[in-house]
Amino acid sequence: GQQLNQSPQSMFIQEGEDVSMNCTSSSIFNTWLWYKQDPGEGPVLLIALYKAGELTSNGRLTAQFGITRKDSFLNISASIPSDVGIYFCAVRNSGNTPLVFGKGTRLSVIA
Amino acid sequence: ETGVTQSPTHLIKTRGQQVTLRCSSQSGHNTVSWYQQALGQGPQFIFQYYREEENGRGNFPPRFSGLQFPNYSSELNVNALELDDSALYLCASSTGGANQETQYFGPGTRLLVL
Repeated sequence: GQQLNQSPQSMFIQEGEDVSMNCTSSSIFNTWLWYKQDPGEGPVLLIALYKAGELTSNGRLTAQFGITRKDSFLNISASIPSDVGIYFCAVRNSGNTPLVFGKGTRLSVIA
Repeated sequence: ETGVTQSPTHLIKTRGQQVTLRCSSQSGHNTVSWYQQALGQGPQFIFQYYREEENGRGNFPPRFSGLQFPNYSSELNVNALELDDSALYLCASSTGGANQETQYFGPGTRLLVL
C-alpha cells in the first residue's frame, strides 16, 4: 500500500535552534499536508501544499512541496518549548480520497 | 480547541467484547472520518461518512462499522475486539467537498483491549 517515510523519527534540539524534517513517498501525490499532534490531542493542521514547488509559511514554520510531487520538507525556525510534539506529514490525491499519514517525527526541545 | 468532541476519553475492554465510540462534529460539518492510531504510528483511515452514508473505507474488516446521525454526530462500533484493536481512535469532521483536508480532529478515545 501507499507509504510515507518521515525522517528523522525523533530529534532533540536546543531552544532557539532551527529544525528541518522531511517526508518522502514512492508515489506521486497532489496534496501534501503537515500536522502537529500534542499529547492527549488530535492532530492539528499546520500547513497545506497544493502545487509542486510551492513554498508556504505559517509564522515560524515553512514547508515546501517537492517538484517531483514525491516529497516535502517542514522547517521550524527559532524553536521554542511549545514546539514539542509529533509532526506528521499526510498526503492525498483528490478532495474525496482519504488522508494517508506518515509515522511522524517526534520533536523534543531542551530549554 | 477544534469544536470536535469524543467520548469516552479512555476505555478498557476485554477480547471478544463490543465497543461504541462517539464523536460530535464541529457545527456545520456534514462529513466525519474515523482513524485508528496505534502507538508510535500515524493515524490510519477507517472510514468516512457524508450525510449519513458511508462514502469511503480503509483496509479494516467489517467488524468495524459506523453510523452518522442527522445532527452529524457519529459512532464507531467495533465487534469481537482483538488485542491489536488497542489504539487511539480519532474522529475528524469537515465540510465535505473538494477541500476535505481541512479536517478538524477530536482529542480521541484511547481504547485498551485486554
